[in-house]
Amino acid sequence: QVQLMQSGTEVKKPGSSVKVSCTASGGVFSTYAISWVRQAPGRGLEWMGGIVPLFGTANYAPKFQGRVTITADESTSTAYMELASLTSEDTAIYYCARASDSGTYYYFDFWGQGTLVTVSS
Amino acid sequence: EIVLTQSPATLSLSPGERATLSCRASQSVDIYLAWYQQKPGQAPRLLIYDASNRATGIPARFSGSGSRTDFTLTISSLEPEDFAVYYCQQRFHWPPITFGQGTRLEIK
Repeated sequence: QVQLMQSGTEVKKPGSSVKVSCTASGGVFSTYAISWVRQAPGRGLEWMGGIVPLFGTANYAPKFQGRVTITADESTSTAYMELASLTSEDTAIYYCARASDSGTYYYFDFWGQGTLVTVSS
Repeated sequence: EIVLTQSPATLSLSPGERATLSCRASQSVDIYLAWYQQKPGQAPRLLIYDASNRATGIPARFSGSGSRTDFTLTISSLEPEDFAVYYCQQRFHWPPITFGQGTRLEIK
């Protein structure tokens, strides 16, 4: 059974950056895209971008392009999401999610537990 | 960007009743739409993919239908554990992958 374990809660100042990790176990890592999806308090789901570790090139939602960096380390089966220039609008739970099919971004069948990022002065 | 509009925003029903949730796309997404269930404090769970295929382990009371711009998630007979928020998601035109705003299914 695939499991995605995310790093812990973060509290950040406006203007700073945050880096969240997602470590996979129990399945193939390299060929399945890991996406990052965030959820602001009481709000819906928002896809930020993702990466197929084997290919190494990330795809980003236009809204986040230039502010988010998604990377993956095959040696540790860990994906990372770094978000820069944080504002209070970035306060949210950040989830990593694995694609349901190898080599694609289609749908998300396994999810991490979520990482709460709070941006506050 | 494809905008997905879900209706109703909130649906109040009793256990045993039939639930019908709608998702409308701003342009055709063919059949490439999924449904997720999210309970408080939990990550979303994949229910349906490619409009009508149940994901692994999903009970048969959940079914999906539709194509192009209009999609429906039906729960044939509500169980107490089905009361949650439901999201649709498209993957036909991306980036970005987009989600609907959600439908809250609450106990009447």
